Amino acid sequence: GEDVEQSLFLSVREGDSSVINCTYTDSSSTYLYWYKQEPGAGLQLLTYIFSNMDMKQDQRLTVLLNKKDKHLSLRIADTQTGDSAIYFCAERQEANSGYALNFGKGTSLLVTP
Amino acid sequence: DAGVIQSPRHEVTEMGQEVTLRCKPISGHNSLFWYRQTMMRGLELLIYFNNNVPIDDSGMPEDRFSAKMPNASFSTLKIQPSEPRDSAVYFCASSLERTSGSRFSHNEQFFGPGTRLTVL
Repeated sequence: GEDVEQSLFLSVREGDSSVINCTYTDSSSTYLYWYKQEPGAGLQLLTYIFSNMDMKQDQRLTVLLNKKDKHLSLRIADTQTGDSAIYFCAERQEANSGYALNFGKGTSLLVTP
Repeated sequence: DAGVIQSPRHEVTEMGQEVTLRCKPISGHNSLFWYRQTMMRGLELLIYFNNNVPIDDSGMPEDRFSAKMPNASFSTLKIQPSEPRDSAVYFCASSLERTSGSRFSHNEQFFGPGTRLTVL
């Protein structure tokens, strides 16, 4: 299928905000997700947003959705060294008769002291 | 709950050998997914099952790969014969899929820790 696009790397200083961007493929996607993968571990759901929403906030995390541009972003406020991980954007497509997600290649976030 | 369980965690084998990866989904979940992760291609969906039935296996690379789900609590991914290009981390994930009217509900996929496969 088509690719969900993400930048590969992002480096920020501890305490700064991080913004990870994603462009997805299907304007009819119903749910958009952010997953986090720490070294040597599987993916863990961070947050998700339904397609009829523009923004969702959850503690230090803010998700912004621009359906017109098919653009999704994840903002992490007051980034900590423990936030260093790979972040995956994923879409769930309404046209998909099953339940699979289409993942991007992931953005490696490095937080430096 | 113990979460999704995968075994083995690491597998090193020689080219041409058969490899079997195992997965136990979270109890009560009705969907199971096999993914492969490599640096070059990222995370790829290989196959997924719903209620033990394969729904989409279009991601399975070739006939050397096969997956089964004989019951709701167990699945295997087999590679025979294995090749060096199969080296990757293989993830299993499960979810409880529900529909609300004509729309699918949000259903979180829970990932296992993965099996790191090295084919020499």
